[in-house]
Amino acid sequence: EVQLLESGGGLVQPGESVRLSCAASGFTFSSYAMSWVRQAPGKGLEWVSSIHYTGGSTYYPDSVKGRFTISRDNSKNTLSLQINSLRAEDTAVYYCAKNPERSIRLFDYWGQGTLVTVS
Amino acid sequence: QSALTQPASVSGSPGQSITISCTGTSSDVGAYDYVSWYQQHPGKAPKLMISDVSNRPSGVSYRFSGSKSGNTASLTISGLQADDEADYYCSSFTTSRTVVFGGGTKLTVL
Repeated sequence: EVQLLESGGGLVQPGESVRLSCAASGFTFSSYAMSWVRQAPGKGLEWVSSIHYTGGSTYYPDSVKGRFTISRDNSKNTLSLQINSLRAEDTAVYYCAKNPERSIRLFDYWGQGTLVTVS
Repeated sequence: QSALTQPASVSGSPGQSITISCTGTSSDVGAYDYVSWYQQHPGKAPKLMISDVSNRPSGVSYRFSGSKSGNTASLTISGLQADDEADYYCSSFTTSRTVVFGGGTKLTVL
């Protein structure tokens, strides 16, 4: 059974940084692209980053490029998201999501999310 | 990259069918058959319901179906049930190698 468990969220001050983690199990982590998707309170879903299964390529929307850094450790089955210079508008639940095979075009499994509050 | 356009809300009675539209551009929805649909119940994580326009993942009810014409994709739910009441989001891969979501549609089962 695929399991994705996010951690690292909490209350942070504007301008600070936060590092989110996602522990993956139940599948061969090193064979799949992975992503982060966030959801501000009462709002819709927003894709914020993806990473190739090798870690060799990363993808971001223009809205977060330069502040967000996605990374992975295939030896530890862990996905990470570093967010710098936090802003109030970064307040959201951040979901770790598995992509099918090597494509980032969709998200076939999701974690339960970790809440980041910037205030 | 602008969000895909979905109706804010739709409603239907048990047993009826409803359709949710998702309109994009030739750079996203119209570019590839890479439209997906997600269901999200309050306080829960999203769940993949339709992949690649019309494919149903294992375990998803046959009552859910997807289609696409030009720059608009659609999700149809037939035989509405109370548990179908949720928020639904479409997403599309884009020519910029990014992913864009729709704004979401709240489905109310009357």
